Amino acid sequence: GAGVSQSPSNKVTEKGKDVELRCDPISGHTALYWYRQRLGQGLEFLIYFQGNSAPDKSGLPSDRFSAERTGESVSTLTIQRTQQEDSAVYLCASSLRLAGDTQYFGPGTRLTVL
Amino acid sequence: AQTVTQSQPEMSVQEAETVTLSCTYDTSESDYYLFWYKQPPSRQMILVIRQEAYKQQNATENRFSVNFQKAAKSFSLKISDSQLGDAAMYFCAYFTGANSKLTFGKGITLSVRP
Repeated sequence: GAGVSQSPSNKVTEKGKDVELRCDPISGHTALYWYRQRLGQGLEFLIYFQGNSAPDKSGLPSDRFSAERTGESVSTLTIQRTQQEDSAVYLCASSLRLAGDTQYFGPGTRLTVL
Repeated sequence: AQTVTQSQPEMSVQEAETVTLSCTYDTSESDYYLFWYKQPPSRQMILVIRQEAYKQQNATENRFSVNFQKAAKSFSLKISDSQLGDAAMYFCAYFTGANSKLTFGKGITLSVRP
């Protein structure tokens, strides 16, 4: 595809439910990142994947958050037992390699936890 | 830890005029990359400009240019001939291979007056 795609665009869920967010990176991009953006704030790093290496999970805020990526393709971010403070826009980005290459962002998933 | 500071939460510029958005960062690294991203209301993060720290020459992209002062750890963005479509949030970001993630400032909201 031409760019990074994410689905769903918007997700409304009830507190305590699990949600799964999906990211399709640009074809050929080996690095993939997840960020969280709370209303009116900058982006917080959550996790990144580089090829087949172990992911860097240092930004995940709690053990309710997890992410997977199969090879250099699709990634899913899962939030279990959602809380109201999880409400945010979740952005995915990909880049060709790792060090300093421009990250191209998807349109994000707006998650609202009621 | 690296930090990125955007001290101005909002700025306004008259159409066709020039505006400068400020950004400072703190790091002990010598090799890193700096970025300005634009986020319009559609929430799609769009790369505006990229600077490699080892390059002394300031990056330019059409109407956008930076003033990169490595010793002062300053990275300001100048927008010339401002257009209505430039209205958006602008984020300054820092990347180093040491931790392999983008660190963002809190952003600045730019409005353009017709």
